Amino acid sequence: EIVLTQSPGTLSLSPGDSATLSCKASETINSYYLAWYQHKPGQAPRLLIHSVSSRAAGIPDRVRGSGSGTDFTLTISRLEPEDFAVYYCQQYGTSPYTFGGGTKIEIK
Amino acid sequence: QVHLQESGPGLVKPSETLSLTCTVSGGSINNFYWSWVRQPPGKGLEYVGYVSYKGRTDYSLSLKSRTTISVDASKNQFFLIMTSVTAADTAVYYCARVNSPFDYWGQGILVTVSS
Repeated sequence: EIVLTQSPGTLSLSPGDSATLSCKASETINSYYLAWYQHKPGQAPRLLIHSVSSRAAGIPDRVRGSGSGTDFTLTISRLEPEDFAVYYCQQYGTSPYTFGGGTKIEIK
Repeated sequence: QVHLQESGPGLVKPSETLSLTCTVSGGSINNFYWSWVRQPPGKGLEYVGYVSYKGRTDYSLSLKSRTTISVDASKNQFFLIMTSVTAADTAVYYCARVNSPFDYWGQGILVTVSS
């Protein structure tokens, strides 16, 4: 199965900063089937990005996904209080689907 | 708006079978795949598997031997059965709709494995 490795484990940032999250796959992701989710305690995960760079409905354009092959990045500009959460990448192009281990964005 | 709701026992004894139901409302279960994802305490999200509305399945390699996911389209429900559970199966279990990515999720149900 495809292993996704996310880094860093934790980002300590202030509101207004930019966050850059990395997701590296153990093999090429099939057909750009790479998504990013935001997860807050006690809530359901929320889809942010699909197909590497397409924003889900209602996601602002300061949230951007990029990458190809095995290296992918989620960038969040001008962090707002609601952005402090855990973020997961997921590949859904090859069964079994897999998630990365997550990156937590915490308030510095 | 599609809504998913998990239901089932919150406490299961070690070596016994975990059984959960996900009820889908606000849309048909047909024409989509449906998945279970879990999150052990203090850990990340873990893909469990999926079932299509026609019953095709896929499972995480580490859970495949003791996991069954099935669907009842007439009731707009799908199910998770996991046998021979241990404390390591303690987690919040989420159900989700697979629309290439997972676009709708339930709120999750905590299942604790303990005697």
